Amino acid sequence: TQLLEQSPQFLSIQEGENLTVYCNSSSVFSSLQWYRQEPGEGPVLLVTVVTGGEVKKLKRLTFQFGDARKDSSLHITAAQPGDTGLYLCAGRVGTASKLTFGTGTRLQVTL
Amino acid sequence: GAVVSQHPSRVICKSGTSVKIECRSLDFQATTMFWYRQFPKQSLMLMATSNEGSKATYEQGVEKDKFLINHASLTLSTLTVTSAHPEDSSFYICSATGGDSPLHFGNGTRLTVT
Repeated sequence: TQLLEQSPQFLSIQEGENLTVYCNSSSVFSSLQWYRQEPGEGPVLLVTVVTGGEVKKLKRLTFQFGDARKDSSLHITAAQPGDTGLYLCAGRVGTASKLTFGTGTRLQVTL
Repeated sequence: GAVVSQHPSRVICKSGTSVKIECRSLDFQATTMFWYRQFPKQSLMLMATSNEGSKATYEQGVEKDKFLINHASLTLSTLTVTSAHPEDSSFYICSATGGDSPLHFGNGTRLTVT
């Protein structure tokens, strides 16, 4: 079983602050995805990264895939209350369609 | 709009009864569907992978006789929790993929066993 450890587990910040969430593993992933999940709903895909060292931006969110494809980070600039939710990284090994989810980071952004 | 529909969204059942959860792909053929379980404030744990027309592959520690998965068509997979107990209470989520379609998630089913 490939383990994806996320840190921090929980983060409570004020609106306007920046934050970074980390996703680490000892396994190499062919691709890695980031999701956000609201209570009582399924996860929603934010981004997919496939190349080591790849950086993708989605408005105020910046995603990076580690050079060795074992880790990833999500940076949020000027967080807003609407960013509140559970952030999950998830990785695929090789050509397998199975997705292994990280341990999750619960973000709370207050006014 | 949703491309994967999960039903019901919430269900309450009595201990010892069985509950069936449906996962439907709405506009693509889902050759592979996945079933996850999520406890409060925790991440998604993969329970099993089902390929249309074949037996599901269960993850280690998941009882296949308790969590029956059927994927008889390219648009429908079902998860039946048999002889449910309070410890089976959880949020169950399906996801589906097929052909060129990326992975899509359902909106989950909250199961409460009393």
